[in-house]
Amino acid sequence: GENVEQHPSTLSVQEGDSAVIKCTYSDSASNYFPWYKQELGKRPQLIIDIRSNVGEKKDQRIAVTLNKTAKHFSLHITETQPEDSAVYFCAASRGPTGGGNKLTFGTGTQLKVEL
Amino acid sequence: DGGITQSPKYLFRKEGQNVTLSCEQNLNHDAMYWYRQDPGQGLRLIYYSQIVNDFQKGDIAEGYSVSREKKESFPLTVTSAQKNPTAFYLCASSKVLDANEQFFGPGTRLTVL
Repeated sequence: GENVEQHPSTLSVQEGDSAVIKCTYSDSASNYFPWYKQELGKRPQLIIDIRSNVGEKKDQRIAVTLNKTAKHFSLHITETQPEDSAVYFCAASRGPTGGGNKLTFGTGTQLKVEL
Repeated sequence: DGGITQSPKYLFRKEGQNVTLSCEQNLNHDAMYWYRQDPGQGLRLIYYSQIVNDFQKGDIAEGYSVSREKKESFPLTVTSAQKNPTAFYLCASSKVLDANEQFFGPGTRLTVL
């Protein structure tokens, strides 16, 4: 089955700096890669996703890049703010084909934005 | 934060007891999922269902059971066979026709006393 590795497990940055979180996946049939943000005690919420036919996607201060050949994808947050502090999870899915839209999650990155 | 709800928020269980966690959605999603979250391990899939009256095991199904009698509901039973049930349980739902966002419920924190 799919295996998703995520690094780093913790990341501390100064407010205004950029943060980068990286994930690798093992299943070359995976074609959907979402990123979720989870604040303490709350539910995970989707912040951005990318499909395998696209190499990069941006939404304001957040961007995701995908390298299908190397089987890795990354989350980039620019101009970080204290409210960006949370745990971030990457995930991978084959979609409905042979998998029922199952998501395999990375182990999470605790991002702390310091003033 | 509407759309998918879980109850109760906190649940305490004595060893040897079965407990059932509720998950309801009004998003008209065909697919529903149960995940377990432990510190440092991310979210792991317990069971999923793509359609009423059908469900499949995920990566850690042992000691758990589910039913899908209605589109809106996907209850999870944690049985006494689950050796380490203390965890945060998250339910999610999604459309099924294409790879799509999964929407999560607020979670149930289960503690075995």
